[in-house]
Amino acid sequence: EAGVAQSPRYKIIEKRQSVAFWCNPISGHATLYWYQQILGQGPKLLIQFQNNGVVDDSQLPKDRFSAERLKGVDSTLKIQPAKLEDSAVYLCASSLRLRGADTDTQYFGPGTRLTVL
Amino acid sequence: AQKVTQAQTEISVVEKEDVTLDCVYETRDTTYYLFWYKQPPSGELVFLIRRNSFDEQNEISGRYSWNFQKSTSSFNFTITASQVVDSAVYFCALSEAIDASGSRLTFGEGTQLTVNP
Repeated sequence: EAGVAQSPRYKIIEKRQSVAFWCNPISGHATLYWYQQILGQGPKLLIQFQNNGVVDDSQLPKDRFSAERLKGVDSTLKIQPAKLEDSAVYLCASSLRLRGADTDTQYFGPGTRLTVL
Repeated sequence: AQKVTQAQTEISVVEKEDVTLDCVYETRDTTYYLFWYKQPPSGELVFLIRRNSFDEQNEISGRYSWNFQKSTSSFNFTITASQVVDSAVYFCALSEAIDASGSRLTFGEGTQLTVNP
């Protein structure tokens, strides 16, 4: 079974530029998550989708970050404009979890390492 | 708010030594889930174990074992006879219910384990 796919793996941009990351979850997984992991820290949830609806975006800096999952499968996370402090690894995860079910396990992709100069 | 504390930032051992990674958590939820993930240098978070709050039985999987003690809010991870391939950052995480349909993982800061030959 294929895992969570992410692209690109690495991205270097100048501050104030825009950038987009793509994620394809494990087939059949209803829930998709985007995390930000700053060097030396644990991942922090940015946004969670269930199918194509947003479940939790309370920690997403909405003035510059946006995300969508239009067809309930793959997803795009965008930063516009980027700041120096956005340098981090952006991890995508997915889980089989359905509405009302107990917590299930999140499986992570390889991440996109973003460097903002 | 939930919190996960991994007090050991870095641990260095010699191959074949046993090593225990500590995890202490805080939550007000009566039902919750605890996880351990491994993050090798490649960057992908690899799921190791999930445990719910009602199951305090210790678990063993090969060289890995986990000790869950609700009374002390701890969920420690032991690697027996460590190997160089065990070198990675290990994260403990706690699942928090957002509402009936969603949950959020709170990660600790991670413990960098280095196993030297």
